[in-house]
Amino acid sequence: QKEVEQNSGPLSVPEGAIASLNCTYSDRGSQSFFWYRQYSGKSPELIMFIYSNGDKEDGRFTAQLNKASQYVSLLIRDSQPSDSATYLCAVKGLRGSARQLTFGSGTQLTVLP
Amino acid sequence: SAVISQKPSRDICQRGTSLTIQCQVDSQVTMMFWYRQQPGQSLTLIATANQGSEATYESGFVIDKFPISRPNLTFSTLTVSNMSPEDSSIYLCSVLAEPSTDTQYFGPGTRLTVL
Repeated sequence: QKEVEQNSGPLSVPEGAIASLNCTYSDRGSQSFFWYRQYSGKSPELIMFIYSNGDKEDGRFTAQLNKASQYVSLLIRDSQPSDSATYLCAVKGLRGSARQLTFGSGTQLTVLP
Repeated sequence: SAVISQKPSRDICQRGTSLTIQCQVDSQVTMMFWYRQQPGQSLTLIATANQGSEATYESGFVIDKFPISRPNLTFSTLTVSNMSPEDSSIYLCSVLAEPSTDTQYFGPGTRLTVL
C-alpha cells in the first residue's frame, strides 16, 4: 500500500464547476497535510495546508481533513482554465525523518473553457 | 515565503560525468532538502542537507552518488556523480521556511538530461 494515494486522473471539469481532489494516507500518526499545485515544467507551489479535522478555506480553495478516515481533500470552487495543473497531496508524519514530506503521485486536473 | 534560486536551470550531460547543482535562499532557513522528480512521477526525497554536518540520506540514495554540501544557512549544493541516463530527472531544492507552520517551499528545479 502506498503511503499517500491519489487518483491520477485526468480529472476534467467545466469552467465554473467545483473540482474535488482526494487523497488518502496510511500513516495514522501523520500530523500535517499539504496541497501543492504543479504546472507543467514548473516546480510545486504550496496552495494549502491543514492540521486539524474539518474544513479550511482560502479564497476559492477549501481543504478538508478527516483523520479518523485518513482522508484529505481539496475543493476548488468556480474552477478556471488557469487551475489546470497537477495537484500533489503531501503528508508529514512521524515515520522516518521527522520533517519528511511524503508525496502522492498527483492528480492531473483540466478545466475546460 | 522564502525566495529560492537554483543553478543551473537545466543541463545536458554525458554519461560518466558529474554535475553540481546550487541552491540559494534569500533568508536563513533551518532545514533544506533535495528532491528528485523523474519524468511523469511525483517527488522523492533524496536527502536532508544539514548545516555543518553530513547530509541525512533516504533509503536508496547514497553519499557517493549524491554528495551534498551545506556550508551555511542559505546555501546548499547537490552533486550527481558518475551520471547515467537513469539520472535524467528534475532535481529540486526545498526549504522549511516557516517552522511554526511546518510549510516547505520549492526552488524552480534543475532539469537534467544524461545522454
